Amino acid sequence: ETGVTQSPTHLIKTRGQQVTLRCSSQSGHNTVSWYQQALGQGPQFIFQYYREEENGRGNFPPRFSGLQFPNYSSELNVNALELDDSALYLCASSSRLANYNEQFFGPGTRLTVL
Amino acid sequence: AQTVTQSQPEMSVQEAETVTLSCTYDTSESDYYLFWYKQPPSRQMILVIRQEAYKQQNATENRFSVNFQKAAKSFSLKISDSQLGDAAMYFCAFLNRDDKIIFGKGTRLHILP
Repeated sequence: ETGVTQSPTHLIKTRGQQVTLRCSSQSGHNTVSWYQQALGQGPQFIFQYYREEENGRGNFPPRFSGLQFPNYSSELNVNALELDDSALYLCASSSRLANYNEQFFGPGTRLTVL
Repeated sequence: AQTVTQSQPEMSVQEAETVTLSCTYDTSESDYYLFWYKQPPSRQMILVIRQEAYKQQNATENRFSVNFQKAAKSFSLKISDSQLGDAAMYFCAFLNRDDKIIFGKGTRLHILP
């Protein structure tokens, strides 16, 4: 069974650019959640996708957007990058078929905005 | 608003000793899950232990156990026989009914040889 994978591992962008981060969910999982973890902080919920539809959003501006594909993999897009967007971006997959939806985390993508 | 508070930014413990990490949370929900996650320098978030709010019995996983006080909204993690591999950031977290995880700010645990 393949775990959650994320790409790329590291990314450096400049202010104003756009970035796309990718997440492959664990086999059998139909839900993907994205979190932003600033340095020295706990992860903060960005949004969740279930069966290709957004299913809840945290306190993040519209320039943070996402997609989920039929194979349940997901993308996080950030437009007009700001310096404060520098963070570790974590995705987590889970299955809504289960009573308790344990979320399994990927290794994260470290984004640096210069 | 649902919040998770970890009041100890850093802690140190001697190898083989016992350490307790504190966590309090706030919610109006009656049914929820609480977790402790470990995040080593590799950044991978690893689930250490889980507690269902409707269960009065405290969860235990080998050397890791919790003290869950629902009325006080307290959820501490005890690590017995600390090992060098336990060194990491530990996050207390709450899963709400919308299936979203709310994390505390973390406690960095150092293990002294």
